[in-house]
Amino acid sequence: AQKITQTQPGMFVQEKEAVTLDCTYDTSDQSYGLFWYKQPSSGEMIFLIYQGSYDEQNATEGRYSLNFQKARKSANLVISASQLGDSAMYFCAMREGKSGGSNYKLTFGKGTLLTVNP
Amino acid sequence: NAGVMQNPRHLVRRRGQEARLRCSPMKGHSHVYWYRQLPEEGLKFMVYLQKENIIDESGMPKERFSAEFPKEGPSILRIQQVVRGDSAAYFCASSPQMKLGIGNTIYFGEGSWLTVV
Repeated sequence: AQKITQTQPGMFVQEKEAVTLDCTYDTSDQSYGLFWYKQPSSGEMIFLIYQGSYDEQNATEGRYSLNFQKARKSANLVISASQLGDSAMYFCAMREGKSGGSNYKLTFGKGTLLTVNP
Repeated sequence: NAGVMQNPRHLVRRRGQEARLRCSPMKGHSHVYWYRQLPEEGLKFMVYLQKENIIDESGMPKERFSAEFPKEGPSILRIQQVVRGDSAAYFCASSPQMKLGIGNTIYFGEGSWLTVV
């Protein structure tokens, strides 16, 4: 089974509207972390937001927020007031907290290509 | 404060040649990671290094690939006798501590795109 699933290969949104990018994960660990990265066409990976499994509140960073539903194992990224510059690939990633190691390793989903239309 | 620096940004090699990719971590970061991104895929972990030590190379192909992070100088990912299937983007990342999380995020470089012809 895939550890990180992003079911939307592509998404379209109108400028200034909000968009939700889906991410579900699979882990048996109690302690884990979820990350979202943005990859524009230039190729670099840009960190957006982080949610720890024990964090009670949803993470927010400017126009980015993470809709964390632990029981459903989902960590959807919400981008408010979309801008043309938001057009990019978005990757969800998980850091598991296995005792004895591997809490440094990220597992990535396949990504969602977001296109913001003017 | 410079970010993670990778070079070259783009590299073309003929089959059978060697590819060397360099990575300088962010200032103050002593933990370095290499990830590979195949076309239309997410990044996949290859190796985790600290200065002069390979901590986890479970994602590295058993042959032709090697990585180092010497006491002085950048981390190097070396691919010997490249084949077409090695064509990919190779990302280096660094963090200040091992366990990743809030306040200890992993930051990526801009990637090195290897094309094998």
